[in-house]
Amino acid sequence: DTAVSQTPKYLVTQMGNDKSIKCEQNLGHDTMYWYKQDSKKFLKIMFSYNNKELIINETVPNRFSPKSPDKAHLNLHINSLELGDSAVYFCASSPHGRGASYEQYFGPGTRLTVT
Amino acid sequence: GENVEQHPSTLSVQEGDSAVIKCTYSDSASNYFPWYKQELGKRPQLIIDIRSNVGEKKDQRIAVTLNKTAKHFSLHITETQPEDSAVYFCAATMNSGGSNYKLTFGKGTLLTVNP
Repeated sequence: DTAVSQTPKYLVTQMGNDKSIKCEQNLGHDTMYWYKQDSKKFLKIMFSYNNKELIINETVPNRFSPKSPDKAHLNLHINSLELGDSAVYFCASSPHGRGASYEQYFGPGTRLTVT
Repeated sequence: GENVEQHPSTLSVQEGDSAVIKCTYSDSASNYFPWYKQELGKRPQLIIDIRSNVGEKKDQRIAVTLNKTAKHFSLHITETQPEDSAVYFCAATMNSGGSNYKLTFGKGTLLTVNP
């Protein structure tokens, strides 16, 4: 009955590799997000999708490519991984429509370590 | 774009004391201000939020105040307990009633409650 889930929870890989992180929400929300939390705990939005359409695309290297096959899933693919990509990546979702809560529900995070 | 400053970066209090965390924002159009709590190794979770048509909101031991003129808002925790120890993030956004919006987070405050 997990609301927002991510896989994997931990990811250790070498520089130059390509990796993906998957996110799924069973809350029926239309909007999903990817955040990056660096070693200093700073939370910064990377992307947002609304009903499979890319809405927010922050200044993120184009090695990062989000994909939303349906509104319950948002994946993040990272090409040519670099040391600076090491961080915790959080997926989140929020409900839709007037009168809905503005709360964003976060997944458990994926700790990516690039060596 | 929006810029959110948060102070202090660390706060240590004795159990039972009060804790206050302050944030300022730059965009006068921002109208939604949530606070998230993140325990060590866990996901951020919403603890309280306030919209710009309200000056204060309270939920048991936590309260948030908003001063739109000065563009600052604060989190107040009374009768602190060891389980309040966590990193607290303030955030701001302009939400026109749609489902997707970009939260700009402060850099976080590490609150430690000493028994």
